[in-house]
Amino acid sequence: QVHLGQSGAEVKKPGASVKVSCKVSGHSLTEVAIHWVRQAPGKGLEWMGGFDPEEDNTAYPQNFQGRVTMTEDTSTDTAYMELSSLSSEDTALYYCVTELELLGDYVGGFDFWGHGTLVTVSS
Amino acid sequence: EIVLTQSPGTLSLSPGERATLSCRASQSGISYLAWYQQKVGQAPRLLIYDASKRATGVPARFSGSGSGTDFTLTISSLEPEDFGVYYCQLRSHWPLMFTFGQGTRLEIK
Repeated sequence: QVHLGQSGAEVKKPGASVKVSCKVSGHSLTEVAIHWVRQAPGKGLEWMGGFDPEEDNTAYPQNFQGRVTMTEDTSTDTAYMELSSLSSEDTALYYCVTELELLGDYVGGFDFWGHGTLVTVSS
Repeated sequence: EIVLTQSPGTLSLSPGERATLSCRASQSGISYLAWYQQKVGQAPRLLIYDASKRATGVPARFSGSGSGTDFTLTISSLEPEDFGVYYCQLRSHWPLMFTFGQGTRLEIK
């Protein structure tokens, strides 16, 4: 069983950056594929990027490239997501999640979710 | 980029009824298709992965089907706790991409 513990809520001004952490317990960070998903208030789910096991690097969708950076500290089993140049449209709940892995294959479903970190962007 | 369109937008049913939710992809090339349930104030919960496989602990009344561009989530007999928002999600490669549908709200009639 994996548990994902996320950092607390943040309030940022437009143009600033935010860094959200996700502490993995129950497994080592090296044993899971971490992704980040966000959800604006009253809206749907949006994938922001995550670990690509086939390429052994981090994949970002085009609409976030250049503005988001995902890193990992294996010594503390903690993943980080930093989003820069914030605007009011970035106000959302940010989740770290793990991709389901079965017998060495990643099969697309996000099976464990953090509780979410609320980021509010307001002047 | 593959777009997922879910229908209907809202489904109003009574406990005991059968629910059928649809998810259509704008093109083929999906490696995997998953379904999630989200209740108010909670993180989404994985129900179905690889189009038809139930995740751990998911009741047998939930089933997924489909291939290519058309996928369906069926709840055979609704329980009161099944009401919420349901999302489909694809995984495609290359490049790696995850895309969610816009959601179907399942509400009590």
